[in-house]
Amino acid sequence: TQLLEQSPQFLSIQEGENLTVYCNSSSVFSSLQWYRQEPGEGPVLLVTVVTGGEVKKLKRLTFQFGDARKDSSLHITAAQPGDTGLYLCAGARGGKLIFGQGTELSVKP
Amino acid sequence: DAGVIQSPRHEVTEMGQEVTLRCKPISGHNSLFWYRQTMMRGLELLIYFNNNVPIDDSGMPEDRFSAKMPNASFSTLKIQPSEPRDSAVYFCASSVQGAKNIQYFGAGTRLSVL
Repeated sequence: TQLLEQSPQFLSIQEGENLTVYCNSSSVFSSLQWYRQEPGEGPVLLVTVVTGGEVKKLKRLTFQFGDARKDSSLHITAAQPGDTGLYLCAGARGGKLIFGQGTELSVKP
Repeated sequence: DAGVIQSPRHEVTEMGQEVTLRCKPISGHNSLFWYRQTMMRGLELLIYFNNNVPIDDSGMPEDRFSAKMPNASFSTLKIQPSEPRDSAVYFCASSVQGAKNIQYFGAGTRLSVL
């Protein structure tokens, strides 16, 4: 049983399109993080959200933490080929992170 | 600054052989995590240490897996004997305990057990 469910698992879009990735759980987390992983590399932190309802922006990426701190979303505006990669959400609990299965994003030029 | 350093980057071995993966965390970080990543199961936490002490090893699959952290700058994950189903990418990550749980990952070791 996956504690954090990410959707969609795979996403293939054209350059310039917008997209949203979802990360859902029935459990509350003290914070939630989004990582991006490129082939042959380890995950790299994009953002941490801590407060329910919090919204953070990182250039064309917008991250939102649900009011109840159980879910989160990542929205990318005008996707570019450089956004291609595996996006992972991770919930913090008891000193460790619980990762979702990831969303494999492919942005075609 | 050097990040988390893992070695080897790739390991190919035969079933039954012992495999040792190595990790050097970022200097000053006092928490270290070992993960396994597969297509089927995603990124799974195997074990983590705080101040060189194992805190949670509930993710270690079975007794064939063991991890040690003899000092603050070195950790090993050992599989003995290895099996084909152990084939995966193994990541090590380090963090400063309590610092918003931000973890810094190494580049991983891709293990293939034939």
